[in-house]
Amino acid sequence: QKEVEQDPGPLSVPEGAIVSLNCTYSNSAFQYFMWYRQYSRKGPELLMYTYSSGNKEDGRFTAQVDKSSKYISLFIRDSQPSDSATYLCAMRRGGYGGATNKLIFGTGTLLAVQP
Amino acid sequence: DVKVTQSSRYLVKRTGEKVFLECVQDMDHENMFWYRQDPGLGLRLIYFSYDVKMKEKGDIPEGYSVSREKKERFSLILESASTNQTSMYLCASTSVQVDTQYFGPGTRLTVL
Repeated sequence: QKEVEQDPGPLSVPEGAIVSLNCTYSNSAFQYFMWYRQYSRKGPELLMYTYSSGNKEDGRFTAQVDKSSKYISLFIRDSQPSDSATYLCAMRRGGYGGATNKLIFGTGTLLAVQP
Repeated sequence: DVKVTQSSRYLVKRTGEKVFLECVQDMDHENMFWYRQDPGLGLRLIYFSYDVKMKEKGDIPEGYSVSREKKERFSLILESASTNQTSMYLCASTSVQVDTQYFGPGTRLTVL
């Protein structure tokens, strides 16, 4: 079983829809949770970052972490065609330095927002 | 802004060639990483380094080696390229105090 599971999609939605992207994980030591967005033929860029459980909102994006269920989500409100990309979840355990900065990634969900 | 650059965007090599992929970051980050990204498999860690001349194997180090002689530069070496090393290669860096990694644009390597 992979440490991090993510539905690869593709997910196709109409413009303006609310998008929900999810990952599950098995390692209870994970403390830091991230979402990266990757446009075609580009490197991933950080979209959202959260520590431990809870919600974080940034504009149209909301990240949720439920550590009791080992489940994280990214919500995109009022989705736009420019949101079309692959979304990768990533996480790491607590602490600093050395191998603790190693991230474990999901395989990514391909999202297409249709105009 | 953090900038991570990679030496080539696209590279075509022949089987058996020695291949060098170079990554440079300009933010004085201690940690640097090399990943490969393949459809359906996501990002897989090849090697990482948390200090100059220090390196640790990631999940798939076979067929690869790395070099970190200077803090800002981390090189990935394919000693004898094979067709199954055709992939997108991504470099990333982070500092000890920062909880996220910054990625370069990637190198799409094709081995014929």
